[in-house]
Amino acid sequence: NAGVMQNPRHLVRRRGQEARLRCSPMKGHSHVYWYRQLPEEGLKFMVYLQKENIIDESGMPKERFSAEFPKEGPSILRIQQVVRGDSAAYFCASSPGLETQYFGPGTRLLVL
Amino acid sequence: TQLLEQSPQFLSIQEGENLTVYCNSSSVFSSLQWYRQEPGEGPVLLVTVVTGGEVKKLKRLTFQFGDARKDSSLHITAAQPGDTGLYLCAGAVFGNEKLTFGTGTRLTIIP
Repeated sequence: NAGVMQNPRHLVRRRGQEARLRCSPMKGHSHVYWYRQLPEEGLKFMVYLQKENIIDESGMPKERFSAEFPKEGPSILRIQQVVRGDSAAYFCASSPGLETQYFGPGTRLLVL
Repeated sequence: TQLLEQSPQFLSIQEGENLTVYCNSSSVFSSLQWYRQEPGEGPVLLVTVVTGGEVKKLKRLTFQFGDARKDSSLHITAAQPGDTGLYLCAGAVFGNEKLTFGTGTRLTIIP
């Protein structure tokens, strides 16, 4: 049973470009979470999705950030018009239901 | 806002020694998870505790959830260099799926 998969593992963007981060949950998991880890800081919750629904986006910045989890395909975290402050590691986690979350290897975003 | 504070922030000990890492909060959690994170990788789940007072053992690692579900500890016996890493606790609140992560303990085991 493959774990949570994220791609790309590393992403370099120039200021103003768009970044698309993909997450494929573990087989049988319908809950997806996105977290951000800024340099020298802890992991912070961003958004929680179930298939085709955003359940909790209380940790998402109000502008430029969006997330989706379509019926088919991976979950996507999109950052429009990236700025240097968006440079961070973005982690996706999945779970079959309550409580335990399993994390992917992360996408390291560097904004030049 | 739930906050989880871990102590110590950094810990460096000799191989073979024992150690305890603490995770404390003023909030009550429905469950608490411990993860270990290696540089450049995602957090890897070690254990989930859900019952107040619960104790779980994973080889040389012993995890305890406080009776009041506000705190937890991780005890490692006879530490080995392979135990080196960043240890994170994370709590979930009743009716809310998102995890609140602790500040982390960076553990280094010296051979």
